[in-house]
This record gives sequence, C-alpha cells and structure tokens, in this order.
Amino acid sequence: DQQVKQNSPSLSVQEGRISILNCDYTNSMFDYFLWYKKYPAEGPTFLISISSIKDKNEDGRFTVFLNKSAKHLSLHIVPSQPGDSAVYFCAARVYGGSQGNLIFGKGTKLSVKP
Amino acid sequence: DAGITQSPRHKVTETGTPVTLRCHQTENHRYMYWYRQDPGHGLRLIHYSYGVKDTDKGEVSDGYSVSRSKTEDFLLTLESATSSQTSVYFCAISESPRTSGSLIAGELFFGEGSRLTVL
Repeated sequence: DQQVKQNSPSLSVQEGRISILNCDYTNSMFDYFLWYKKYPAEGPTFLISISSIKDKNEDGRFTVFLNKSAKHLSLHIVPSQPGDSAVYFCAARVYGGSQGNLIFGKGTKLSVKP
Repeated sequence: DAGITQSPRHKVTETGTPVTLRCHQTENHRYMYWYRQDPGHGLRLIHYSYGVKDTDKGEVSDGYSVSRSKTEDFLLTLESATSSQTSVYFCAISESPRTSGSLIAGELFFGEGSRLTVL
C-alpha cells in the first residue's frame, strides 16, 4: 500500500517553461514533505521541503505547494533549465518519527529540452 | 558536500554468500540510514541508527542486519544474499534537531550508492 504516490513516471518540458511535478499521499500523520533530486550514478540531494502546517514554500526557482484537504503536493520549477533534468522524489515524514525515516514515492523523471 | 563514503561501490556476488556494505561519514552526525532503491519502488528504508550500538528496523529489514560500533561507521550485512537483494544501496546521514538549530526536518545527506548484483 503506497503511502506516497507519484503517478507520473516521466515529464518532458521545454527550457524556460514551468515544470510541475505532482505527489499524492494517504497518511494524515505526515508532518513534513520533502523533494529530493537525483542525477544518474549519484545519491539523492535535498531540494526543498514544506511543513504540514504551511501551504507554500519557495526557494528561488522552486516552489512547493501543499493542499492538505486533497492530500496533494506539487513542485513547481520556473523557469526550467536543462540542468534540472533528473529524477525527482517526493518524500514524507511521519509525525514523531525519526528525523530521516522517510517514505518515498517512486520518482518522476524530468527531462528539460533546450 | 557531506563527507559520506560507501564501499564497495560495485559488487557482484552469488546467491547464498554473505555481503557487507560499509558507510563511513566524517560529519559526526548522530543518525545514519541504509536505503535501497529499486525500479518501481523509489527508496525504501532498511535499517537506521540513532547512535553507537543503537539501531532500529525500517520498512524492508528482512534479510538484513546492521551494526554501528563507531559514530562514523554503519555496516549493512546480508547474511545470505538472494537475487531479490539485487539493488542500489544508499547510505544517508542526518543530525539531531537538538544539535543543529537550522536543521530541516527530514533532510538527509546521501552517499553515492553501492550497486549490488546477486547472481
């Protein structure tokens, strides 16, 4: 039973346009949501996070939106750049859980075309 | 970059043989984790440690054991490897929120991964 779902395995976007990556979750006890980015042959790296008590968090070109009623979050990248091409993982932490005990989605592969 | 080293980076072994993966950190972080990444599954937590000799199970711990005798080293052992344990294994570290005032909840620093193939 997947608690964190990324239903789009891949996404292709033109350089300069907006990339929107989506994530749905089922567990109401998640207190933080995070996005990790992964290049081939490298470990994932933290990108941005949002607390469950917020609805938006912005960091430069990256914005994460949280809709608790719909149990949905999205990552917006504006403008998209070729260097953003990577696999993006949505992750969630259970309230009261260990700092890094995260539930990950399956990932969405983003391709940004020049 | 966080100082995390995984070894070996690549290993091919046969079913039934024991395998140990090593994670070494130079950051003196309290928490260490072992995740595995498989196509169609994302990353799944195997075991984690919250201090020397303190470990706990994650989501997919069956068939794996861990040990942490020093702050800097976290070992993952497959006592008798099976083909279903063919995967890419990632070590990760994080600090305690009580130690780092600027810590982002859930922020992990990952190693580069160890690719294990069990034939």
